[in-house]
Amino acid sequence: AQSVTQLGSHVSVSEGALVLLRCNYSSSVPPYLFWYVQYPNQGLQLLLKYTSAATLVKGINGFEAEFKKSETSFHLTKPSAHMSDAAEYFCAVSSGSARQLTFGSGTQLTVLP
Amino acid sequence: DTAVSQTPKYLVTQMGNDKSIKCEQNLGHDTMYWYKQDSKKFLKIMFSYNNKELIINETVPNRFSPKSPDKAHLNLHINSLELGDSAVYFCASRGLGGRQETQYFGPGTRLLVL
Repeated sequence: AQSVTQLGSHVSVSEGALVLLRCNYSSSVPPYLFWYVQYPNQGLQLLLKYTSAATLVKGINGFEAEFKKSETSFHLTKPSAHMSDAAEYFCAVSSGSARQLTFGSGTQLTVLP
Repeated sequence: DTAVSQTPKYLVTQMGNDKSIKCEQNLGHDTMYWYKQDSKKFLKIMFSYNNKELIINETVPNRFSPKSPDKAHLNLHINSLELGDSAVYFCASRGLGGRQETQYFGPGTRLLVL
C-alpha cells in the first residue's frame, strides 16, 4: 500500500527566505506524486505534479519539487517566501484502480514578516 | 465558471438528522471522488465513482450513501448524523488517460453536527 510522510507539521520561515517542505513516499510501483495547497476555508489547489517525466517539476507561484527515487522523496521548495504563501500544504500519491489520492498529514507554513 | 462545485458550503445540523451534499463537475471527467478532512486536517478517500459506477468504498459506515445520477454529478447522503461526522467533505474529479492524473477539488462542504 502506498503511504506519504510529511516531516514537520509546522514550518516557519521569514519573508524572503527559502521554503523547504519535506515529503517521503512509499510505493510499490512508480508513483504519481502531487503537492496541493489549501488556504484557510478553501479547497485544495494543485501546485505541481510528478508523472514520470522530468524529475524536477515546476509548479505555480514559484514552487518546484524534485523527485528522488533513491531517497523516495518529493520535497517542495521555493527560493523566496512571500506572505501569501502562508497555507497548509499536502503531499499526495496516486494509486489504486481509481487512482485515488493518499495524502500526507499536511504541513502548515507560516511566513514571518 | 467553477470546475467542481459543491452545495451547500456550510451545513449545521442536529444529531440523528439526514442530510445531503451535492457535487457537480463541468470538466467532462469520468471519475469522481469524495474525501473527508477531519479536525486535524487529515484527508482520506471515502468513495470513488467511474462513469456512475461505484469503484471504491473505503470502509465508510453504511450511513453514508453516494449516488451518481450521471457522470457529472456525485452526491453524498448521510443518514442518522453523528457528532463524529463533523468534518469538511471534498468532492473531486479526474479525467481518464495515462497523463490525466490531476484531481480537481471542489471548495468543500463544512459539516457541523450538534
